[in-house]
Parts: sequence; C-alpha cells; structure tokens
Amino acid sequence: QKEVEQNSGPLSVPEGAIASLNCTYSDRGSQSFFWYRQYSGKSPELIMSIYSNGDKEDGRFTAQLNKASQYVSLLIRDSQPSDSATYLCAVQGYNFNKFYFGSGTKLNVKP
Amino acid sequence: ETGVTQTPRHLVMGMTNKKSLKCEQHLGHNAMYWYKQSAKKPLELMFVYNFKEQTENNSVPSRFSPECPNSSHLFLHLHTLQPEDSALYLCASSHSFDRLSGNTIYFGEGSWLTVV
Repeated sequence: QKEVEQNSGPLSVPEGAIASLNCTYSDRGSQSFFWYRQYSGKSPELIMSIYSNGDKEDGRFTAQLNKASQYVSLLIRDSQPSDSATYLCAVQGYNFNKFYFGSGTKLNVKP
Repeated sequence: ETGVTQTPRHLVMGMTNKKSLKCEQHLGHNAMYWYKQSAKKPLELMFVYNFKEQTENNSVPSRFSPECPNSSHLFLHLHTLQPEDSALYLCASSHSFDRLSGNTIYFGEGSWLTVV
C-alpha cells in the first residue's frame, strides 16, 4: 500500500474554473500535510500547508483536511493557465523525520 | 539567493566515474534530505540527516554515499552508477525533528543526473 495516493491525471479544466485535487494517506498518525506545485523540469515549490481538520484558505488556494477519512484536498479557484503543473501531496508521518510524497496530479488549465 | 542551493545543476557521467553532488542551505535548518525523482514515479526518500547524524537510509545502494559535515551542507558521492540511476536528485531541508508543528520541507532546484 502506498503511503500517499493521488490520481495521476491529467486533470483538465477551463480557465476561470475551480480545479479540485485530492489525496489520501495511509498513516493515521500523520501530523502535517502539504501541497507542492512542480513545473516541468523544476523542483517542487510549497504552496500550502495544513495541520488541523477543516479548511485553510490562501488567496485562490484552499486546502481541506479530514483526518477521520484520511484525505487532503486542494481547491484552486479562478484557475489560470499558469497553474498548469503537477501538484504533489506530501504528508509528514507520525515518525516525523519522514515526509511522504504522492506521485502527483498533472493539472492542465486551458485558455 | 535561494534558501537551498544545489550544484551542479546538470551532470553527465560514465558508469566508471566518481562525482559528487553538493547542497547548501541558508535557512537555519538542522535537518537535510536527499530525494530521487524519476519519470512518473513519486519522490523517493534516500537519506535523512538531523544535526549531522544520519537518521534514515532508505535501502539505498552503496554506490550512493552521503556526507553531512555540518547542518548547512550535504553531499551525495556517486561512483559506479548505472543508467537507471539517471534522475533528478533533490536536496531539501527542514527544522529538526523535535518541532512537530509547522515543520515544512524546502527543496533545492535539483541536480539532473545522466549516467551513460
């Protein structure tokens, strides 16, 4: 069983729409959760972190965490072509010296 | 200046060569990591160092040899690699493991390695 699972996509949305990215994790003791954006040929860039159940909003981005269901999601409102990238979900496990990454969801925002 | 700097950015080496990747962080962190990213695979954790001590070796072949002389510098020494080792190697850093909340991992720009 993979530690962190994501749909590989690609997820295609039109410009201006809401993009919804989902992630599930297996370690029920996980403490911290992150979303990274990775453009092709570049390194992952942190865009959101969330530590408690509920929603956390930052500009056009909203992270949602449900520890009981072991899932994390990222909503991108008013999607722009510049949002086209691979989005990586990361989980810091109970053994907190490890950060586990999903394989990423590729997002295409069409003009 | 970026928080985590990796050199070289691109490296082509033969299977009999010995080379090293270097990482330096300017974020005041005490934990450093090496990850490997191959095409269409999740990021693979290779090594973790906390206050210069290795705390994780994720069953990495001995042809990869890490070195952490201090909390700001991390090296990955490479020798007798195989073509399947070609990948993007990412260095990262974070606060040390005793800070449970707000601990975030930051990546360098990566070193693209091609083994021929």
